[in-house]
Amino acid sequence: DAKTTQPPSMDCAEGRAANLPCNHSTISGNEYVYWYRQIHSQGPQYIIHGLKNNETNEMASLIITEDRKSSTLILPHATLRDTAVYYCIVGSTGANSKLTFGKGITLSVRP
Amino acid sequence: EADIYQTPRYLVIGTGKKITLECSQTMGHDKMYWYQQDPGMELHLIHYSYGVNSTEKGDLSSESTVSRIRTEHFPLTLESARPSHTSQYLCASRGQGYEQYFGPGTRLTVT
Repeated sequence: DAKTTQPPSMDCAEGRAANLPCNHSTISGNEYVYWYRQIHSQGPQYIIHGLKNNETNEMASLIITEDRKSSTLILPHATLRDTAVYYCIVGSTGANSKLTFGKGITLSVRP
Repeated sequence: EADIYQTPRYLVIGTGKKITLECSQTMGHDKMYWYQQDPGMELHLIHYSYGVNSTEKGDLSSESTVSRIRTEHFPLTLESARPSHTSQYLCASRGQGYEQYFGPGTRLTVT
């Protein structure tokens, strides 16, 4: 599976958009980009995934560059409860695929 | 909401004791996983299963063992606990979709 690179941390003001970057320059054609988050050592929570088109759900938006070598997770209106570690993961969707979690990026939302 | 449960949530036990961490899910998922996570560190896959009677070792070597006799249960056992086993253990499952569902975790402390 391709590896990802994320900054170690970032912060944003409550109510503002949080844009979390991720580089995955070695992604292969059949690999998806997944985002999970982990709030204070609870079990990670799935946020969103995508292949090449931009995706949006009730939690976030995922913007994938045309060459697929990087992506950005957007939380449109960050709240204090969005403070967490966010993991960008690249992997296939095959039946036997596994997720490899890196260090993630720690997002701190300030009042 | 995902229905995946882990017991106990917290366990403090002495060196040399045998312990079993329970994980169960009611979603009928074939794939189940065990991750180990030290405080402030990344998750490491230690065991996984693709179905009944299927178990595989993960990316991180572990002295623990697992079994999958029933679809809904995936217990993890340590025959002789040591202080180096002190960690958080997270169980997850996945069905036919893309999302892994995580349990709340078991915090194990071996004294």
